[in-house]
Parts: sequence; C-alpha cells; structure tokens
Amino acid sequence: AQRVTQPEKLLSVFKGAPVELKCNYSYSGSPELFWYVQYSRQRLQLLLRHISRESIKGFTADLNKGETSFHLKKPFAQEEDSAMYYCALSAGVDNFNKFYFGSGTKLNVKP
Amino acid sequence: KAGVTQTPRYLIKTRGQQVTLSCSPISGHRSVSWYQQTPGQGLQFLFEYFSETQRNKGNFPGRFSGRQFSNSRSEMNVSTLELGDSALYLCASSMGAGVRTEAFFGQGTRLTVV
Repeated sequence: AQRVTQPEKLLSVFKGAPVELKCNYSYSGSPELFWYVQYSRQRLQLLLRHISRESIKGFTADLNKGETSFHLKKPFAQEEDSAMYYCALSAGVDNFNKFYFGSGTKLNVKP
Repeated sequence: KAGVTQTPRYLIKTRGQQVTLSCSPISGHRSVSWYQQTPGQGLQFLFEYFSETQRNKGNFPGRFSGRQFSNSRSEMNVSTLELGDSALYLCASSMGAGVRTEAFFGQGTRLTVV
C-alpha cells in the first residue's frame, strides 16, 4: 500500500543553518513525489516535484529510489521559510491527482 | 486568474445532519479532488472527479459522496454527520491530464459537527 512518512513533526533551526526535512515513501510502482508548503494563513501550494529537478526558493529534493526517500534540503534557512511542509506521492498518470500526503513537518526558523 | 474557490469557508452542523460543500476550480481545469484534513489523520484523499466522472476514490464510508458538473464545479456531500467528520475539507483542481499538471488547492471549508 502507498504510504508517506515524515518522521519529524517539528524542526527548529537557526537562520542561516542548513535544513533537511525527511520524507520516506512506500509504493510498489513508479511514484511521482512532491513537496507542498503551507505558510501561515495561506493555502497549500506546490513547492517542487521530483520530475522537474528544479530548485525553488533555494530548496531541492532528490528522489532516492534505493532508500525510498525524497528529503527536502536547503543549505541556508531563512525566517520566511517557516511553514508547514508536506511530502506527497502520486500514484501515476491516471491517478495523478490522488495524492498520499505525509503528516507534515512544521519548520521553525529562528532569528 | 482566480484561484480555487471553496464555499462556505466555515460551517457548523449538528450530528445526524447532512452538509454540502462547493468547489469552483480554476477556469479550464477539468479535475477536482477533495481531501479531508484533521490533526490526527493529516490530509486524506476522498475522491477525484474528471469531466463529471469519479476517477479515483479514497477509503471513506459511503456517507461521503460527490459530483461534478459540466462547468467542472464540484460538490461534496456528507450525510448523517458524525462528530469525527469535523475537519478542514480541501479541494484541489488541475488540468487533469498528463503528469506535468499541477494541483492547486483552495483555502478549504472548516466543518464543525456538534
């Protein structure tokens, strides 16, 4: 069965420190992985997806099929990065909009 | 262009009642998905509609149903409400075809069952 695990509920770092939000998944097929972010009082929005292999707001994420992980990383955290981050898995083309979400990690970047 | 609009934003209902939530997708989007967000269970997929047809369904009881109209607007209905149905219900829309389409979320409807 499909499952997305985000082991950390809360991650606190100081401004300028590196940050890594962990995400592990289980899926028997070929998944599409995403990171969504929700800033305070705003709607959930896409941060990045593995197929694009792009960097958004300094964040990157690499899909590691061997470790079934899709960790989100940023070398230097900024206060404006404080938000709730969700890792999500989509089960493929026909199920593209059927996301399995992790429980989320709240990132708190301290000044 | 306008984003995904969900109405109403807040709703209070009594156990046993039924409720209908509405979602207007971004213009041109044909897929609408619904999610339930609770502190204990996180975000859980309810169902997805594409061109008026239910394409995917999550593991929720039959009390949860939905539909999509020809203009892609979608409604979600919950019958015989239970206290445990209290949650934030999110709607997401996308073009619906192809892996490179992005899902855009609405701000949600906060349902409280008393």
